[in-house]
Amino acid sequence: EVQLLASGGGLVQPGGSLRLSCAASGFTFRNYAMSWVRQAPGKGLEWVSGTTGGGTRTYYADSVKGRFTISRDNSKNTLYLQMNSLRAEDTALYYCAKDVEEAALMAFDIWGQGTMVTVSS
Amino acid sequence: DIQMTQSPPSLSASVGDRVTITCRASQTINTFLNWYQQKPGRAPKLLIYAASSLQSGVPSRFSGSGSGTDFTLTISSLQPEDFATYYCQQSYSTPRTFGQGTKVEVE
Repeated sequence: EVQLLASGGGLVQPGGSLRLSCAASGFTFRNYAMSWVRQAPGKGLEWVSGTTGGGTRTYYADSVKGRFTISRDNSKNTLYLQMNSLRAEDTALYYCAKDVEEAALMAFDIWGQGTMVTVSS
Repeated sequence: DIQMTQSPPSLSASVGDRVTITCRASQTINTFLNWYQQKPGRAPKLLIYAASSLQSGVPSRFSGSGSGTDFTLTISSLQPEDFATYYCQQSYSTPRTFGQGTKVEVE
């Protein structure tokens, strides 16, 4: 079964850091681009960051550029999101999502269950 | 950034109704347009990719059309399990952007 399991969320103070992880199973992880998409409570979907299958190309939303870093370890079938300098507006449920392609962020066909990040003092 | 605007923000419909949701891009995106369905407390689900291609396992009552800047998601005969929020998303350029969502509610 194709599955994504996100973890690493929690409560953090403004200015703090968190690292999210997304463990993939049931497919050849290195063959697909991956993204993080977030959803603030009661709000819509916001794409945060994405990376190609090999991890050589990374992309970011303007709202997180310079603060968040996406990476992947294809030997461990795991996607990461390092989040620094967190702000209240980063509070959201963070989903990891598998792409339908390897070299581009085309469409997200498999989603994890999400991990909640709350930034508050 | 490409802005995606959906209409209407919400609609009320009955089982069996034909439902149409529109999505407009702020610039041309050819057919790089996807549609997702999200139910409360659940992750989004891919319905349509590349504007009109039905994702595997999605019922044929869902269809998508359009190109350039204007796109449509149609549910030909609304079923009880279709009450949900629907999002369009462009994959033409980064940052990838979503529409604000259209909530389909029971009339």
